[in-house]
Amino acid sequence: GAVVSQHPSWVICKSGTSVKIECRSLDFQATTMFWYRQFPKQSLMLMATSNEGSKATYEQGVEKDKFLINHASLTLSTLTVTSAHPEDSSFYICSAREFFSGRPETNEQFFGPGTRLTVL
Amino acid sequence: GDSVTQMEGPVTLSEEAFLTINCTYTATGYPSLFWYVQYPGEGLQLLLKATKADDKGSNKGFEATYRKETTSFHLEKGSVQVSDSAVYFCALSESWDGKLTFGQGTILTVHP
Repeated sequence: GAVVSQHPSWVICKSGTSVKIECRSLDFQATTMFWYRQFPKQSLMLMATSNEGSKATYEQGVEKDKFLINHASLTLSTLTVTSAHPEDSSFYICSAREFFSGRPETNEQFFGPGTRLTVL
Repeated sequence: GDSVTQMEGPVTLSEEAFLTINCTYTATGYPSLFWYVQYPGEGLQLLLKATKADDKGSNKGFEATYRKETTSFHLEKGSVQVSDSAVYFCALSESWDGKLTFGQGTILTVHP
């Protein structure tokens, strides 16, 4: 099956610094990538949708200036948490989708293993 | 807006027991429904899906039937194994861009 990788798998940083998380589709071209945040014992919350070559679409309540998303190629999207604070500590998960013809909502999303961010 | 509600966990079963994880949804249109599984230390994987009413999705012994009349998509397995221990997420999608709305997840632990 299709593989999506994330790097790093975990990161610890000081408050006020910025952290970049990479999401790569290893064996397919991802026209769309999604970024989620997962709190302990809670569901995944969609943060933003990014389409290759265009600006990301952020969900309501997500600060676009704090969570910078870049999808510059068909195999790579990055999430940068700027001026991170302890409340940004969370598990960040990306997923990638290759567009097929037909109903796009049935096109499978492939998920990365996640990145654990801890802000001290 | 769309929403998905799963039964509260955690669920603890003995090996070979019958499993049911309830999932109900609210949507404005005709969504596609999914079950995802997250094994310890791994990313979410699609377990099964159904794209229209009365469809049955099945995989690895798991089944779920899309019930429009009850807006449900309950996950079942006749005989669970220790290796089925994981977190299970019910989800729906009805948007052109494929955005998923997830339930809160159910932790399943299967003991030998």
